[in-house]
Amino acid sequence: QVQLVESGGGLVKPGGSLRLSCAASRFTFSDFYMSWIRQAPGKGLEWVSYISLRGSTTYYADSVKGRFTISRDNAKNSLYLQMNSLRAEDTAVYYCVRGQYSGFYWGQGTLVTVSS
Amino acid sequence: QSALTQPASVSGSPGQSITMSCTGTSSDVGSYNYVTWYQQHPGKAPKLMIYDVSKRPSGVSNRFSGSKSGNTASLTISGLQAEDEADYYCSSYTSSSTVVFGGGTKLTVL
Repeated sequence: QVQLVESGGGLVKPGGSLRLSCAASRFTFSDFYMSWIRQAPGKGLEWVSYISLRGSTTYYADSVKGRFTISRDNAKNSLYLQMNSLRAEDTAVYYCVRGQYSGFYWGQGTLVTVSS
Repeated sequence: QSALTQPASVSGSPGQSITMSCTGTSSDVGSYNYVTWYQQHPGKAPKLMIYDVSKRPSGVSNRFSGSKSGNTASLTISGLQAEDEADYYCSSYTSSSTVVFGGGTKLTVL
């Protein structure tokens, strides 16, 4: 069964940075677009970003554009999200998702809390 | 990137059928057959129920079906069961090559 395991979440101060990782297994990672989707506590789902097969194409939600960077390492079967200039409104569970516009498989999520 | 519009809540009795809507614009739902529906139980990761407007992944009950007319997509659940009680989210690909979600609908099984 496809496995996606996120890590790197935690408590960070406003203006700080954090790098999320997602370890993928049990499928050919390089064959799939990958995405990050987040969910603030008690709120709905919000698409964050997706990346193409080789990482040459990336797209971002307006709310994170210029602050977040998605990347991947196909040799390591890993997806990343570099988050800079973090704000309180970035507080959420961040999910690693297999797919571009349809998320067939999701990780369990990692919680990012931005607070002073 | 305005969110898709979903009703905050819908409800139905066991065995009944319910339909929930997801309204977008000609820049998203109306232009692409890339509407996806997710089910989320409390404390769990979302689960894909319908993709490409009306396709069902293997393992998803055929009680779930999707459709689209113009800028509005719909999810129908027939033969409602207690386990269907959850939050449901729709999403769509957009003309900006991004993805937009709806605000979610809470389904209550009475």
